[in-house]
Amino acid sequence: DTEVTQTPKHLVMGMTNKKSLKCEQHMGHRAMYWYKQKAKKPPELMFVYSYEKLSINESVPSRFSPECPNSSLLNLHLHALQPEDSALYLCASGQEARALHFGNGTRLTVT
Amino acid sequence: GEDVEQSLFLSVREGDSSVINCTYTDSSSTYLYWYKQEPGAGLQLLTYIFSNMDMKQDQRLTVLLNKKDKHLSLRIADTQTGDSAIYFCAESPAASGGSYIPTFGRGTSLIVHP
Repeated sequence: DTEVTQTPKHLVMGMTNKKSLKCEQHMGHRAMYWYKQKAKKPPELMFVYSYEKLSINESVPSRFSPECPNSSLLNLHLHALQPEDSALYLCASGQEARALHFGNGTRLTVT
Repeated sequence: GEDVEQSLFLSVREGDSSVINCTYTDSSSTYLYWYKQEPGAGLQLLTYIFSNMDMKQDQRLTVLLNKKDKHLSLRIADTQTGDSAIYFCAESPAASGGSYIPTFGRGTSLIVHP
């Protein structure tokens, strides 16, 4: 079992849909991350929140919009996605230089 | 910038030892990590080592660090079919305060044959 919970596990959406991915952690970690992972590749960093403020945006297209409502929750709002955005989206949390804790991800398919 | 290199595949027989290798380039004090990813799952932290250590052992796992060559290895003793997964090496600087960004290797696919 993972201490970082992501919902939903699977999501299929059309290119005109709006959906949200959710992530929750109760370890008191102050940094939360969104990663995108394609098959057989390492995770690619998208966004980092530190103390509930967006600290890093890795030049991610605006069709991905992150939100951090509080220190335990992280959302990723999706709008007008493309088929090439289909991937596993991973949330992680961490505390300073200690290791990241990952959720099991949301498998996103854009049709 | 940092760079982490790993071989892509390793195939072993059940019961043998597996050794997965990684090289990194960051010369500053750094944390080095091994993550395991099973199909359809996220990354699970297996173990980590700080760059002032040479070795760390945890049950079947042994991490060896050669600081001079910037070479990290993960040895899995008595490898089981359940160890089949992708193993990612990662490193991050030992900065304090706020968030940090690990650099991941491309991952080594470990296949364990019965």
